[in-house]
Amino acid sequence: DAGITQSPRYKITETGRQVTLMCHQTWSHSYMFWYRQDLGHGLRLIYYSAAADITDKGEVPDGYVVSRSKTENFPLTLESATRSQTSVYFCASSGGARQPQHFGDGTRLSIL
Amino acid sequence: SQQGEEDPQALSIQEGENATMNCSYKTSINNLQWYRQNSGRGLVHLILIRSNEREKHSGRLRVTLDTSKKSSSLLITASRAADTASYFCATDTAGGGGNKLTFGTGTQLKVEL
Repeated sequence: DAGITQSPRYKITETGRQVTLMCHQTWSHSYMFWYRQDLGHGLRLIYYSAAADITDKGEVPDGYVVSRSKTENFPLTLESATRSQTSVYFCASSGGARQPQHFGDGTRLSIL
Repeated sequence: SQQGEEDPQALSIQEGENATMNCSYKTSINNLQWYRQNSGRGLVHLILIRSNEREKHSGRLRVTLDTSKKSSSLLITASRAADTASYFCATDTAGGGGNKLTFGTGTQLKVEL
């Protein structure tokens, strides 16, 4: 089915480890986004990408790295995980500026 | 920083009643969008209203926008148990390039049978 998929759905890791969250969309949308969702903060934008090989920082980019070598994939890497990065991470895509965003079902990440 | 703030934070109603949620924001916008999130799932887009529009309908949903007051409301008529979810407003800030949204903290709606 067409859509946006995130993997893994759940991940437990330890502080200091590197972890990569995957995001894949089948619509060929140009824009892709990574958010984190925490109680009391709503969704906060981490990074976004307007096209392959074009990425830019959002509101809370520190500690995260992204890449976009192919239009359909937008992985998010925590280079050295910290407990404050425990959160639910959502990937989204949209077909263009000022268009609705389509979300994956999230990755629940726990850092011990 | 939060651009949109929803009110109330939580709302509990009976099936068949109407539910109204409000969103206030701080800066000029291109458009405002409403999303729904069911427990354990991603957000689903409901409706988009542009800054030059005042009201928009989609099925049982009615959205209003008052740019002079920097506020929007989402009305769900004849609510159903399946409407139980969190609802978020998101703003596309004017001058922001149209590729970033700022989300509020959401309203948790519970519709009881």
